[in-house]
Amino acid sequence: DVKVTQSSRYLVKRTGEKVFLECVQDMDHENMFWYRQDPGLGLRLIYFSYDVKMKEKGDIPEGYSVSREKKERFSLILESASTNQTSMYLCASSPPIPGTTNEKLFFGSGTQLSVL
Amino acid sequence: QKEVEQNSGPLSVPEGAIASLNCTYSDRGSQSFFWYRQYSGKSPELIMFIYSNGDKEDGRFTAQLNKASQYVSLLIRDSQPSDSATYLCAVNMNSGNTPLVFGKGTRLSVIA
Repeated sequence: DVKVTQSSRYLVKRTGEKVFLECVQDMDHENMFWYRQDPGLGLRLIYFSYDVKMKEKGDIPEGYSVSREKKERFSLILESASTNQTSMYLCASSPPIPGTTNEKLFFGSGTQLSVL
Repeated sequence: QKEVEQNSGPLSVPEGAIASLNCTYSDRGSQSFFWYRQYSGKSPELIMFIYSNGDKEDGRFTAQLNKASQYVSLLIRDSQPSDSATYLCAVNMNSGNTPLVFGKGTRLSVIA
């Protein structure tokens, strides 16, 4: 089974702190994604990466950055945490399917981040 | 703006009934369509995908796609209380390698 592991299930941080959310997948997937999920707003894409060292902005990248130094690891960084970044953060990975754009996402269990 | 629309619900159905979940999408060139199930407090998991017009069946689940109407649906036959969850529709809207666009989800409640 594909396993996508997020380092923390719950995290509490203070406003202004630099926050690192780690995600590791064990299936050699090319594609990795960071979403946040808020009630009434659904899943919103923050950043994604289709290869090592590559990153692309999603729909809501402001206030976030990412790092992908190794294929299996995709880190989300909150440079200076703010209260409006309190949310559930979900990491996902997917294999590439040559010649198609189909993406079957496998999600981690999520990190509930509270910024006080 | 590329959009995927779903009724937020809740959709309530009695146990044993057919639950019908609907999704419309804005991009006529969309290629592939996915249904994810998310239990409360858990992360989404893929339950169905469909690429071609028509029906695709997998156990109690049937995905239906009508590209002309830009409409995809998920039918759950013999609904069980364990099917109570939020169902997310996701669409790949480009021919290039781009991320899925998700709807906000429909909450389904199956009443015993």
